[in-house]
Amino acid sequence: DSGVTQTPKHLITATGQRVTLRCSPRSGDLSVYWYQQSLDQGLQFLIQYYNGEERAKGNILERFSAQQFPDLHSELNLSSLELGDSALYFCASSAGGGSPLHFGNGTRLTVT
Amino acid sequence: KNQVEQSPQSLIILEGKNCTLQCNYTVSPFSNLRWYKQDTGRGPVSLTIMTFSENTKSNGRYTATLDADTKQSSLHITASQLSDSASYICVVSAKGVSSGDKLTFGTGTRLAVRP
Repeated sequence: DSGVTQTPKHLITATGQRVTLRCSPRSGDLSVYWYQQSLDQGLQFLIQYYNGEERAKGNILERFSAQQFPDLHSELNLSSLELGDSALYFCASSAGGGSPLHFGNGTRLTVT
Repeated sequence: KNQVEQSPQSLIILEGKNCTLQCNYTVSPFSNLRWYKQDTGRGPVSLTIMTFSENTKSNGRYTATLDADTKQSSLHITASQLSDSASYICVVSAKGVSSGDKLTFGTGTRLAVRP
């Protein structure tokens, strides 16, 4: 158990809809990262938050947004969903520096 | 452009056999290299982290090597078990940036261990 909790585990929705994915980081970790993994693809970095503030952005679409709350949990909001947004969305947390990332088990999003 | 390439893409071996996975990178400036194991449908789990000065690091039956001169790393699995069936991902971090924002992920090697 990595200590990172992601909900929901599965999400099925229609094109054009909006969904929110939730992540609770490992206790004590201030950094939260979001990654997208499409079928048979590598992990693509979306965005990083550190102690409530956006730290870095990757290949995140404008239709996607995220935030980290004072209790350090984070939410990833995906809007105007398209079929191509179907993927596994992983959250990871870290204590920072060279320490390893601890990944949750992901939310599998299916857009129909 | 920072890149991480892994080979082979997939591999099938018999239980009890050894195997070696390869990772070549062009990330600069180099900070550290990590190997992760990702079971199907699960999040990746860290196996090893190596910095520039480390040549070898072991974690049980997993041994990672790093040649910073040639920008190559390998992950050797000894006496494979059925539970080793997973994707193995090589991740390279660039120096001078916080953890995560400049990590470059390989697409992984999918290993299947057969009885």
